[in-house]
Amino acid sequence: DTGVSQDPRHKITKRGQNVTFRCDPISEHNRLYWYRQTLGQGPEFLTYFQNEAQLEKSRLLSDRFSAERPKGSFSTLEIQRTEQGDSAMYLCASSPGQGLNTEAFFGQGTRLTVV
Amino acid sequence: GQQVMQIPQYQHVQEGEDFTTYCNSSTTLSNIQWYKQRPGGHPVFLIQLVKSGEVKKQKRLTFQFGEAKKNSSLHITATQTTDVGTYFCAGFSTSGTYKYIFGTGTRLKVLA
Repeated sequence: DTGVSQDPRHKITKRGQNVTFRCDPISEHNRLYWYRQTLGQGPEFLTYFQNEAQLEKSRLLSDRFSAERPKGSFSTLEIQRTEQGDSAMYLCASSPGQGLNTEAFFGQGTRLTVV
Repeated sequence: GQQVMQIPQYQHVQEGEDFTTYCNSSTTLSNIQWYKQRPGGHPVFLIQLVKSGEVKKQKRLTFQFGEAKKNSSLHITATQTTDVGTYFCAGFSTSGTYKYIFGTGTRLKVLA
């Protein structure tokens, strides 16, 4: 499978616990995005990487959220001290990064439930 | 900040009827993309529009980009049950970064 891969697909955690999600983008895609989607809403931008550099982070992302892309390939999104409001689908997307006009390829997402 | 709104939020149509969703951005866009998300699935890219006033067709789907590059529409002719899903527009920010701002989405149900 050469698409964007996310792991795990589902995560149930207790409030206050830390969770980490992984995203493997399409090989050689320079840009990697994290979005959050709640039921009935469109994907909300969280953060964006160009290779290993995190170029933008949404104000939606509190200090409890951190993302890395250490070697410019896979990325991780960590949420510390989870809250019930963090329950959502976390989507990762990648794009080739050639100029402004490129499509985003989305992974299947990680559904987080905080109980 | 930049916002992208879509109307209607929901649309139920009889199979064979036409469907249109409209997308409006608070700021001028570099380009606009359309995605389809099936229930339980992830967004899948449909098309990208770049030029002012551009019109593109994909079989029964017609996409338009407004002259001011602040609005767009998706029109489906003679809907089929396979068209069911949520349609999102995504504006590509011109603020110097490369992030997509997604619209609120239009959920389409097609009744057989």
